[in-house]
Amino acid sequence: NAGVTQTPKFRVLKTGQSMTLLCAQDMNHEYMYWYRQDPGMGLRLIHYSVGEGTTAKGEVPDGYNVSRLKKQNFLLGLESAAPSQTSVYFCASSFLAGGRNEQFFGPGTRLTVL
Amino acid sequence: LAKTTQPISMDSYEGQEVNITCSHNNIATNDYITWYQQFPSQGPRFIIQGYKTKVTNEVASLFIPADRKSSTLSLPRVSLSDTAVYYCLVGESSNTGKLIFGQGTTLQVKP
Repeated sequence: NAGVTQTPKFRVLKTGQSMTLLCAQDMNHEYMYWYRQDPGMGLRLIHYSVGEGTTAKGEVPDGYNVSRLKKQNFLLGLESAAPSQTSVYFCASSFLAGGRNEQFFGPGTRLTVL
Repeated sequence: LAKTTQPISMDSYEGQEVNITCSHNNIATNDYITWYQQFPSQGPRFIIQGYKTKVTNEVASLFIPADRKSSTLSLPRVSLSDTAVYYCLVGESSNTGKLIFGQGTTLQVKP
């Protein structure tokens, strides 16, 4: 039982390049989330999904797209990376929704955009 | 979603009890209070959750007064390994799945 895994762990991009971050969970959770965390700050919700085939915007969705084609996977895409997107990205999943749930987090992806 | 306010940082010594208080004046009837712990270079980890009164598990206790406008996370006899950032979150049991993380409280445990 691996829990929540993220690929890749590190990545350096040039401005304007694109990439996709992959999140996978093996706990059969319905809900999945993408957060970003800037140095010294708390996590900010980018996008989330309440089930396979569904996605919704969080606090800071601009510049990102997501897809949830399979229940166990949640992909975060950057179409044209900008230096402002330099951050650590965390994926999480949960069995229940909202404040009653326990979110399980992945180890994070450290992204640098030059 | 209710906004939370907690101290930016706290210092303690090994073996002491640490209490971190979180203010959430606009908490709604359906909101639960949850605390997460985050070590450097790791994702947050769930510690404890409660709705009212007191909740205790093997890691911590959570005290919630009757008006629910604040809550206190209590860590008994902290060790150096408890040095981390602690987040207080308030969210409702809904279908949105949304939780809002604040800046958290950085706890530094000294020997």
